[in-house]
Amino acid sequence: GAVVSQHPSRVICKSGTSVKIECRSLDFQATTMFWYRQFPKKSLMLMATSNEGSKATYEQGVEKDKFLINHASLTLSTLTVTSAHPEDSSFYICSASSSPGTDTQYFGPGTRLTVL
Amino acid sequence: QKEVEQDPGPLSVPEGAIVSLNCTYSNSAFQYFMWYRQYSRKGPELLMYTYSSGNKEDGRFTAQVDKSSKYISLFIRDSQPSDSATYLCAMSQVRTGANNLFFGTGTRLTVIP
Repeated sequence: GAVVSQHPSRVICKSGTSVKIECRSLDFQATTMFWYRQFPKKSLMLMATSNEGSKATYEQGVEKDKFLINHASLTLSTLTVTSAHPEDSSFYICSASSSPGTDTQYFGPGTRLTVL
Repeated sequence: QKEVEQDPGPLSVPEGAIVSLNCTYSNSAFQYFMWYRQYSRKGPELLMYTYSSGNKEDGRFTAQVDKSSKYISLFIRDSQPSDSATYLCAMSQVRTGANNLFFGTGTRLTVIP
C-alpha cells in the first residue's frame, strides 16, 4: 500500500517551454501533497505544500508564478514549470500524506527535468 | 545551525558488517523520526518510523532515538550490497498540521561484496 507514482520519469525540454509533472497516489487518498526539489548530492528541498481543493503554500524563495501547483483531486497533484530555464534542471519529487494529522509522507519515484 | 545534521559520507563497508548511521538535531520539538532509503535516481522509500524516544527493530534494521541528546541512529546488521544507497533521516514536530519534514543531507552507503 501507499504507492505514489510520478509521470513522466524523465523529460527534456527547450528553454522557454512549460513542463507539467503529475503526481498520483494510487491506493490511498492524499489530503496533502508535497513537492520537493533535489540537487545532486544534496537533500530534499521542500518547494510547496498543497491540500486538495485549496491553493498551495510555497516555501520562501520559491516563485509561485513559475512553479504552478494544482491539487484538484485527492489522488492527483500537478507541478507545472513555466518558461523553463536551464537552472530549473533538477530532480523533482512529490510526496503524499493520507491524513492531515500524520507526518508520514510517501514519496514518488521522482522526475528528472533537463532544460536545454 | 541547520535543524538536522547528517554526515554525508560516503561510507564504505564490507558485506556482513554492521552499519551505523546517525543524525543530530537542534529542535527539541521534534517528536516523529524517520529514516528513508534512496537509490540513485529514485524517490526516497520509508524504512523506519518512530515516535519519541526508544528503539524500534524491523528485520536487519534498528532505529534508535535519544531525545535527551537530540540524536538518532539507524543500525543495519549483516549489511548486503543491495543496501547500497543514500540514507536520509527526517523528523517533524508535534502535529501542527503543517506536515513538514526536516531532512538531513543523506549519507551515501556502499556495501562492498
